[in-house]
Amino acid sequence: QVQLQQSGPGLVKPSQTLSLTCAISGDSVSNNSASWNWIRQSPSRGLEWLGRTYYRSTWYTQYAFSVKSRITITPDTSSNQFALQLISVTPEDTAVYYCTRQRDRFDIWGQGTMVTVSS
Amino acid sequence: DIQMTQSPSTLSASVGDRVTITCRASQGINNWLAWYQQKPGRAPNLLIYKVSNLQSGVPSRFSGIGSGTEFTLTISSLQPDDFATYYCQQYNNVPYTFGQGTKLEI
Repeated sequence: QVQLQQSGPGLVKPSQTLSLTCAISGDSVSNNSASWNWIRQSPSRGLEWLGRTYYRSTWYTQYAFSVKSRITITPDTSSNQFALQLISVTPEDTAVYYCTRQRDRFDIWGQGTMVTVSS
Repeated sequence: DIQMTQSPSTLSASVGDRVTITCRASQGINNWLAWYQQKPGRAPNLLIYKVSNLQSGVPSRFSGIGSGTEFTLTISSLQPDDFATYYCQQYNNVPYTFGQGTKLEI
């Protein structure tokens, strides 16, 4: 059974970096039929896809334009996980963050991490 | 970006009712359309993918139909566990986008 386990701080100060990790069990981050995504949800923005990483003989990443200058998603094959970094955060980045697997559809989701940006 | 517009935003219904939620895409999405159910404090749960395919473990009272830019989710006979918020999502083009949600309440 595939599971995604998220970890990372729930409170980040403005202008600092938000960092979250998603550990994969039951699948591989290098699976060439899957992509590994980050999605966030807030009352003001709803569900917002942030980006993804995937392996197709080489690694690819794609990001939403709204965060493209601030976001990095990186795979970690040694730990079988992938990470989200969002720099220069503001209160607008306060949201629940989810990692998800896409294999034809978004079938597996992490438990969600509530991240608050506040001093 | 492809805009996904759901209607209605809120739907009041009773146990046993048949309900339909509509989702309209701003352009064609090649049937890459999914529906999710979300309950408070939980991650979205996939119900239907590729317009009409029922995800494993999802009750058969849920069904989806549509093509082009118009899609619908139908719950044939509402059960108490179905009162939740429902979202559509297009995953044809990045950035993948979601509807604003339909809250199904008693």
